[in-house]
Amino acid sequence: EVQLQQSGPEVGRPGSSVKISCKASGYTFTDYVMNWVKQSPGQGLEWIGWIDPEYGSTDYAEKFKKKATLTADTSSNTAYIQLSSLTSEDTATYFCARKGAGGIDYWGQGVMVTVSS
Amino acid sequence: DIQMTQSPASLSASLGETVSIECLASEDIYNNLAWYQQKPGKSPQLLIYYASSLQDGVPSRFSGSGSGTQYSLKINSLESEDAATYFCLQDSEYPPTFGGGTKLELK
Repeated sequence: EVQLQQSGPEVGRPGSSVKISCKASGYTFTDYVMNWVKQSPGQGLEWIGWIDPEYGSTDYAEKFKKKATLTADTSSNTAYIQLSSLTSEDTATYFCARKGAGGIDYWGQGVMVTVSS
Repeated sequence: DIQMTQSPASLSASLGETVSIECLASEDIYNNLAWYQQKPGKSPQLLIYYASSLQDGVPSRFSGSGSGTQYSLKINSLESEDAATYFCLQDSEYPPTFGGGTKLELK
């Protein structure tokens, strides 16, 4: 069974960084690209970017190029997203989501990030 | 970026009814469209991919159709568990973009 287990909720101060993890199981981690998606009440769902765990290659939406950094650790089958220079606009739920043959097929449970001083 | 316009934003229907949700793309997305169901506090669940292919394990009362720029999700014989928010996602062209979502309420 494919599972994407994300880390717990985060609270970050304005200007700081947070790093969220997504541990994959039930499939070969390096065979599938991992996407990251932001969900906020005001903006709906936004695609942040993807990482190919096998090669470490990444692609980002223009809006998130200076905000997000995607990495992956193949030894632990875990993908990460680091969000930097946090502002109130970054308060949202962040999902990892695997891209299968037909598109994004499995999602993590989401991590709520709250930016607060 | 391709804009996905989803309608309606909300919908109220009775058990046993049939409903449809539409997504209109700003340009041809060549059937590279998926539909998801999301319940409060939960992650999205894939229902339909490639516009009309039913994901394994999804009830057959869900169906997708469309081509070009116009796509729809149809839910037959509504059940109480279908109360959720539904959204579409295109990945024909990067960046992938989402519809605004449709909140389905059961009367």
